Amino acid sequence: EAQVTQNPRYLITVTGKKLTVTCSQNMNHEYMSWYRQDPGLGLRQIYYSMNVEVTDKGDVPEGYKVSRKEKRNFPLILESPSPNQTSLYFCASRKGQGLNTGELFFGEGSRLTVL
Amino acid sequence: AQRVTQPEKLLSVFKGAPVELKCNYSYSGSPELFWYVQYSRQRLQLLLRHISRESIKGFTADLNKGETSFHLKKPFAQEEDSAMYYCALSGVAAGNKLTFGGGTRVLVKP
Repeated sequence: EAQVTQNPRYLITVTGKKLTVTCSQNMNHEYMSWYRQDPGLGLRQIYYSMNVEVTDKGDVPEGYKVSRKEKRNFPLILESPSPNQTSLYFCASRKGQGLNTGELFFGEGSRLTVL
Repeated sequence: AQRVTQPEKLLSVFKGAPVELKCNYSYSGSPELFWYVQYSRQRLQLLLRHISRESIKGFTADLNKGETSFHLKKPFAQEEDSAMYYCALSGVAAGNKLTFGGGTRVLVKP
């Protein structure tokens, strides 16, 4: 089944304790992206990647890192989490880089709480 | 910079009534517009895109370049339409980055 898989789905952590949220897709998509969803603010892009070894900042990249060493994986790293990073995180992927590249497929989301 | 605005955070309608979700955008060039939907406890999924010019689940959306709008409409809302709806924009001028609006929650009452 074609899908985007995120782990963990739920996590409670403390300020300053490094964590990684993994994202994997099995559709051979070039484009992958991370978003955070907050009440009243909708979906905001954190980082995106057009292809392997190509990553770029989205609208709210502060406090986050990403890497794209393989096409299928796009982990989100919080080196020193803070309470304002408490949010619902979505990973997404799509085919290609240009226009008419098809829909964005989303993971189920990872709910992160930083105490 | 590209921007998507959904002015209504919440729309509450009765079953069978028409529903219209507003979406306005700012973009220099020819945008690609989408509507995504998130039903309760489900992942976000594509509802429709302006290029396809199709009707999905009774919903339609027309791109109005003069008014820079891409409003989503359905003539007769159903209870299963209750969900969170996001308008999104992508375009070559912005590196094909997909930008989402703030979302509109639709509640269809019986």
